[in-house]
Amino acid sequence: RKEVEQDPGPFNVPEGATVAFNCTYSNSASQSFFWYRQDCRKEPKLLMSVYSSGNEDGRFTAQLNRASQYISLLIRDSKLSDSATYLCVVPRSGGYQKVTFGTGTKLQVIP
Amino acid sequence: NAGVTQTPKFQVLKTGQSMTLQCAQDMNHNSMYWYRQDPGMGLRLIYYSASEGTTDKGEVPNGYNVSRLNKREFSLRLESAAPSQTSVYFCASSAASATNEKLFFGSGTQLSVL
Repeated sequence: RKEVEQDPGPFNVPEGATVAFNCTYSNSASQSFFWYRQDCRKEPKLLMSVYSSGNEDGRFTAQLNRASQYISLLIRDSKLSDSATYLCVVPRSGGYQKVTFGTGTKLQVIP
Repeated sequence: NAGVTQTPKFQVLKTGQSMTLQCAQDMNHNSMYWYRQDPGMGLRLIYYSASEGTTDKGEVPNGYNVSRLNKREFSLRLESAAPSQTSVYFCASSAASATNEKLFFGSGTQLSVL
């Protein structure tokens, strides 16, 4: 099993829709998790951190299921500007030198 | 707010040529990193510098060298470029290497080795 796995998509959804994607991880010792957003040909930017069961920020909700070893990202009321690739990031231990980046899930919000 | 600045944005090299990618941050961060991003693969760590004066290998260090010139600057050097090094390179920094600190990325360098 890969350390971090994401469905590459693309997820094509209409504006206003709710969309969710998952990220599974293999290291049961991981304590914190991150979702980064990466626009086409741009640098990744931190979207949300998940340290316990979940985190909510406006239209975005990140949830953690430790038993099944996955985190999810839910986007409500999708906007055209949400179109991007969403990277799941899982620290293996310690600091950023031991972090695994997922390959990303591409989201395309359609007018 | 410049944040993390990397140069150049694009570069084409011939096999065997050398080049240095420059990175500077103005946030007084202690830790800096170099990643490469290839299609179908997640970002992979090449080298990192947890603090000024230290550098360490990451996941894919072969064919690269780094220099932490001072607290602001962290350069990546390809001594003899190979086609396998065609990739998008990102520099990043964080206040400290612990993952409770936010990671900031530069805008990337698209490198093609022919």
